[in-house]
Amino acid sequence: SQKIEQNSEALNIQEGKTATLTCNYTNYSPAYLQWYRQDPGRGPVFLLLIRENEKEKRKERLKVTFDTTLKQSLFHITASQPADSATYLCALDMGGFQKLVFGTGTRLLVSP
Amino acid sequence: GAVVSQHPSWVICKSGTSVKIECRSLDFQATTMFWYRQFPKQSLMLMATSNEGSKATYEQGVEKDKFLINHASLTLSTLTVTSAHPEDSSFYICSAGTRSSLDSEKLFFGSGTQLSVL
Repeated sequence: SQKIEQNSEALNIQEGKTATLTCNYTNYSPAYLQWYRQDPGRGPVFLLLIRENEKEKRKERLKVTFDTTLKQSLFHITASQPADSATYLCALDMGGFQKLVFGTGTRLLVSP
Repeated sequence: GAVVSQHPSWVICKSGTSVKIECRSLDFQATTMFWYRQFPKQSLMLMATSNEGSKATYEQGVEKDKFLINHASLTLSTLTVTSAHPEDSSFYICSAGTRSSLDSEKLFFGSGTQLSVL
């Protein structure tokens, strides 16, 4: 089965800096990888999807990279704001359409 | 974007009782919905795939007789936790995806249900 590793320790950064979160997987290479944001007591919200043939994808202040050789995805938030504070989840396909396996997430704290 | 509504947001029940959680797709039809469970500071764990008009597909280790899933229409799936026990206390979340052309593999999640069994 697929195993996903995300840094379980919280990432603390100062407002305006770039936050970089890491997602590593250990088994088969997925056809795509997704990133979600989850606030306490809420369901996850979709942010970005990157496919295996894509190296990088951007959306406003967000950027995702996908290195299938390293089996790693990096998630960047530029010009971070306190409102970006949340837990960010990495998710991979489980071999079925829309069927995902999630990492434990990394909590991001942006200080003013 | 598409909206998935989940109800109730939280429920407290006595041990041995059953609890029903509803998940609705408000502005799209969902032939497939997914039910997840999340314990504090842990990952979302897929429990089952709910298929409209047919039986749900359960993940390994999930008791189908304990977690009853019904997907009677294209916009509604329900999860019933039968004979709930304190160890069933968790955050339950449903999700669904559309078949739109852009990033069709992404999921839209409900707001979750916090179940506390006393």
